[in-house]
Amino acid sequence: GIQVEQSPPDLILQEGANSTLRCNFSDSVNNLQWFHQNPWGQLINLFYIPSGTKQNGRLSATTVATERYSLLYISSSQTTDSGVYFCAVERLKETSGSRLTFGEGTQLTVNP
Amino acid sequence: EAGVAQSPRYKIIEKRQSVAFWCNPISGHATLYWYQQILGQGPKLLIQFQNNGVVDDSQLPKDRFSAERLKGVDSTLKIQPAKLEDSAVYLCASSLSHPFNGIYEQYFGPGTRLTVT
Repeated sequence: GIQVEQSPPDLILQEGANSTLRCNFSDSVNNLQWFHQNPWGQLINLFYIPSGTKQNGRLSATTVATERYSLLYISSSQTTDSGVYFCAVERLKETSGSRLTFGEGTQLTVNP
Repeated sequence: EAGVAQSPRYKIIEKRQSVAFWCNPISGHATLYWYQQILGQGPKLLIQFQNNGVVDDSQLPKDRFSAERLKGVDSTLKIQPAKLEDSAVYLCASSLSHPFNGIYEQYFGPGTRLTVT
C-alpha cells in the first residue's frame, strides 16, 4: 500500500514562532488532506489539497503532487495550535470507494 | 450544518464482552467510514460503505468485528468478543461521493474512546 511519512515527529515552539510540517508519500495520489487532532481527539479538517496552494488565516499548505510531498505552514503560532497534525492521502480506486492512509502525525507543542 | 455524530463518547468494558458504536453521518453524505486509531498512531480504515453497501472491508477483523448500514444513513460497528488490543478510539467519517469524478473531502466525528480491561 501507499506509505505516508511525516516530519518532524515532534515539534516544540514558543508562541509567535513559525513552523513547517512536511508530508511525503510514496505513490501518486488523487487527494490529500491535512487534519489537526485536538487534545480531545477530534480531527479537524484544515485543508483538502491534492495539488496547489491554499491559505486559511495563519495556516497555509502546498502540495507538489509530481514530487510527492505536501507542506503545512503555521505562522505566528498560538498555544491553541498545540495537538497532533496528520497528513492523509488517498488513491482513487476503480469503484466509487476511497481509503485515506494517514501518516504517524507531528506532535506540536506551543509554549506561552 | 450538523457534523458527524457518534455515541457513546467513552466506553469501558471487560475483555470478552461485546460493545456497539453508533454513527450518524452528515446529511446527504453517501459514503461512511469507520476508522480505528490506536494511541500514538494515525487512524486506520476498518470499513467503508457506499450507501448501504460495503465497498472496502479488507482491514476489518471479521472474526470479531461487524458493521452495518441498513438504510444507507446511520451505521453501527460491533465488537464481539472484545480483546485488550481493541482499546482504541473508533472514528466515524463521511463524505460526498461521485462515481465518475472522484472522491470528496472526508469529515470526522468526535470518536468513541474504548477501553478494554
